[in-house]
Amino acid sequence: GQNIDQPTEMTATEGAIVQINCTYQTSGFNGLFWYQQHAGEAPTFLSYNVLDGLEEKGRFSSFLSRSKGYSYLLLKELQMKDSASYLCAAPRDSGYALNFGKGTSLLVTP
Amino acid sequence: SAVISQKPSRDICQRGTSLTIQCQVDSQVTMMFWYRQQPGQSLTLIATANQGSEATYESGFVIDKFPISRPNLTFSTLTVSNMSPEDSSIYLCSVAATSGYTFGSGTRLTVV
Repeated sequence: GQNIDQPTEMTATEGAIVQINCTYQTSGFNGLFWYQQHAGEAPTFLSYNVLDGLEEKGRFSSFLSRSKGYSYLLLKELQMKDSASYLCAAPRDSGYALNFGKGTSLLVTP
Repeated sequence: SAVISQKPSRDICQRGTSLTIQCQVDSQVTMMFWYRQQPGQSLTLIATANQGSEATYESGFVIDKFPISRPNLTFSTLTVSNMSPEDSSIYLCSVAATSGYTFGSGTRLTVV
């Protein structure tokens, strides 16, 4: 099976940088996804890592270490609109559906 | 990326009744999935909708309670049968395409 763990809640200040960690255990590996979900809305794609290293995309970056089963999502220059749930996900060992972590609820304060 | 139209967006239903949720995709996709997201929780996979054959259900979900249809590569329905208040949740469809995974906008179901 798969275990995907991430912190439940985080709080950060507008303009700051926040790092949301995710650890995973899987027998096979087909990449690691990050999604953003605002309350009452569907998840939206943020990033996909399949190779080790940092992928930068504007204010958001995602890092992957396959040997450590570890990823993080880095959000820079935080804005109030970044308050949302951030979901770490990986394709299942069998089949193609995504398994999701429990999500990290990020609150950005003034 | 694929665009999904999911209906209804929300509904309030009486216990004991059934609700059918539809997802229409703007392109043919092989892999289509149904998830449930209970209040304050993450997404839990209900089943994989297979075109031309019975859906593949996850542990804890059964066909009698959540029948799924997948008549072609662009459309699927999920029915929540004999509803109880415990079925109050958001239900989302998702597809896997070459461009990645996309989600429908969700159906917020309240059972009273």
